Amino acid sequence: NAGVTQTPKFRILKIGQSMTLQCTQDMNHNYMYWYRQDPGMGLKLIYYSVGAGITDKGEVPNGYNVSRSTTEDFPLRLELAAPSQTSVYFCASSFPPGRSYEQYFGPGTRLTVT
Amino acid sequence: ELKVEQNPLFLSMQEGKNYTIYCNYSTTSDRLYWYRQDPGKSLESLFVLLSNGAVKQEGRLMASLDTKARLSTLHITAAVHDLSATYFCAVDRQGAQKLVFGQGTRLTINP
Repeated sequence: NAGVTQTPKFRILKIGQSMTLQCTQDMNHNYMYWYRQDPGMGLKLIYYSVGAGITDKGEVPNGYNVSRSTTEDFPLRLELAAPSQTSVYFCASSFPPGRSYEQYFGPGTRLTVT
Repeated sequence: ELKVEQNPLFLSMQEGKNYTIYCNYSTTSDRLYWYRQDPGKSLESLFVLLSNGAVKQEGRLMASLDTKARLSTLHITAAVHDLSATYFCAVDRQGAQKLVFGQGTRLTINP
């Protein structure tokens, strides 16, 4: 199993550009998450999904959109990139609570907006 | 609003010493997570504590949970250089595994 994979690893965007961060998991997990980590800080939840077709906002959803058309994929869309979105983005996945409580993280995407 | 606070935020210690990292959280939660992060890397799961009084140990690390005090501790015994990393605690918000993270404790262990 590859686990949780993310692409790209690094990206530099200009202000106002858009991009999609890709996340794929091969563990058949129902739940998927997007977090951001600012320098020297803990992670903050952007969006999450409990299954295909179901998404909901986390703590810091503004400026982002998500979709979940398959169990495996959970892309994160940035529209009109701003310097405040410079961060490291982590995707994670898990089984529903009760079956397991482990959350598995991808390697991250380092995004700079200038 | 659920808040998670760790202390200390920075810790420099010598090999062979013992120390404890504290994690306080503001509202009721039954699950607490500890992660390790090396510079430029992703998060590595250390422990998941599921109930009051839970204690888990792995090597030189031991974690405990007191849900009544809303406090978890990560105890390091006889520290070695390889344990240098940033340690995060996280609390499960509303039972949906939507984790709220502390700021992290940057641990440096000197020979």
